[in-house]
Amino acid sequence: DQQVKQNSPSLSVQEGRISILNCDYTNSMFDYFLWYKKYPAEGPTFLISISSIKDKNEDGRFTVFLNKSAKHLSLHIVPSQPGDSAVYFCAAREGSGNTPLVFGKGTRLSVIA
Amino acid sequence: DSGVTQTPKHLITATGQRVTLRCSPRSGDLSVYWYQQSLDQGLQFLIQYYNGEERAKGNILERFSAQQFPDLHSELNLSSLELGDSALYFCASSDGLKTYEQYFGPGTRLTVT
Repeated sequence: DQQVKQNSPSLSVQEGRISILNCDYTNSMFDYFLWYKKYPAEGPTFLISISSIKDKNEDGRFTVFLNKSAKHLSLHIVPSQPGDSAVYFCAAREGSGNTPLVFGKGTRLSVIA
Repeated sequence: DSGVTQTPKHLITATGQRVTLRCSPRSGDLSVYWYQQSLDQGLQFLIQYYNGEERAKGNILERFSAQQFPDLHSELNLSSLELGDSALYFCASSDGLKTYEQYFGPGTRLTVT
């Protein structure tokens, strides 16, 4: 029973264009969402997050959108660069304090020069 | 560099054996989390410690155990190893107070033959 789903295992985008990575969740108690980026042979690196009280958070080229009614969030990368090629994981948490994260299976993004 | 260290980087062992994975959290972080990533899977939460005490448990097998020591480093013990235990094991840490972001180590790749 996957509470966080990333239905696209892979995505290819031309350099300079927009990359949109999608994530759906089923647990309405999730109140904080995070995106992590992972390169081969490295641990996941925190990228950007959003609280459930917001619908958008922006950090440079990265923007995360949250649609609570649809239980859907997306990560936009504009413009995409070859160095963005990695696996992107969506994660969510619920409750107060530091609770464990629930991860999706990831989407492999390839940015083609 | 996330500031989280894990040793060893790679581990190859036989079925039935026991291994110990070690994690040192970022300086000042009180919470340590262990995650398992099997082939083509997302990160599965195993167990969380906060300031030396077990805080949360995920889908951790009874053959697995962990502890967090007074200096806040943590060890994950895997015993009676099976082929299916082959995976990447990640440790993450967080400050346990004001942020929800977790910072991951580079992982330990365990191969059971």
